[in-house]
Amino acid sequence: DTAVSQTPKYLVTQMGNDKSIKCEQNLGHDTMYWYKQDSKKFLKIMFSYNNKELIINETVPNRFSPKSPDKAHLNLHINSLELGDSAVYFCASSQEGGGPEQYFGPGTRLTVT
Amino acid sequence: RKEVEQDPGPFNVPEGATVAFNCTYSNSASQSFFWYRQDCRKEPKLLMSVYSSGNEDGRFTAQLNRASQYISLLIRDSKLSDSATYLCVVNMYSGGGADGLTFGKGTHLIIQP
Repeated sequence: DTAVSQTPKYLVTQMGNDKSIKCEQNLGHDTMYWYKQDSKKFLKIMFSYNNKELIINETVPNRFSPKSPDKAHLNLHINSLELGDSAVYFCASSQEGGGPEQYFGPGTRLTVT
Repeated sequence: RKEVEQDPGPFNVPEGATVAFNCTYSNSASQSFFWYRQDCRKEPKLLMSVYSSGNEDGRFTAQLNRASQYISLLIRDSKLSDSATYLCVVNMYSGGGADGLTFGKGTHLIIQP
């Protein structure tokens, strides 16, 4: 079974649309994250959630909003998509107070045209 | 100055050779350090943590120099399967989680037969 899964794997959409990416982890971890990896391969954290509370919110546009219906899920909603949003988005999870390892999902390749 | 800097490469190395690359970090308050590996179009995965005393895992050796603020990764007897991008990761906090987690852009390694 996949530890951290994301859907969809590929997402092609037009500017101005609203889209969501779903993430689920079956590891029982306390904390989940969203990362963005741009065309220059730079991986940058966007959000993290611990027990349904946002504990990190990097300087990302408010068009991006994470939503966590429960501890095992952290979805990413993006409103009014822009060309610059094109990137690979990775979901990850880790155990609070446990080891340092973060488990990443397979990534969602978003292309905005 | 960038927070975590790595030589992007690519490093082209013949199979069986030893290869080493470094990473420098700007924040002297950084507490924990890691090397992640990312294969092409895949998610990052933890390769190893880096401890002050240095640590070894099979063919891989990681070292930390706090005074000079750099981390190194040494790969001995390189295999074709070692071809990947190696991400240097620095955390401002000693525990797990992504608070203050900063990724380098990665060093691209190509092992040639």
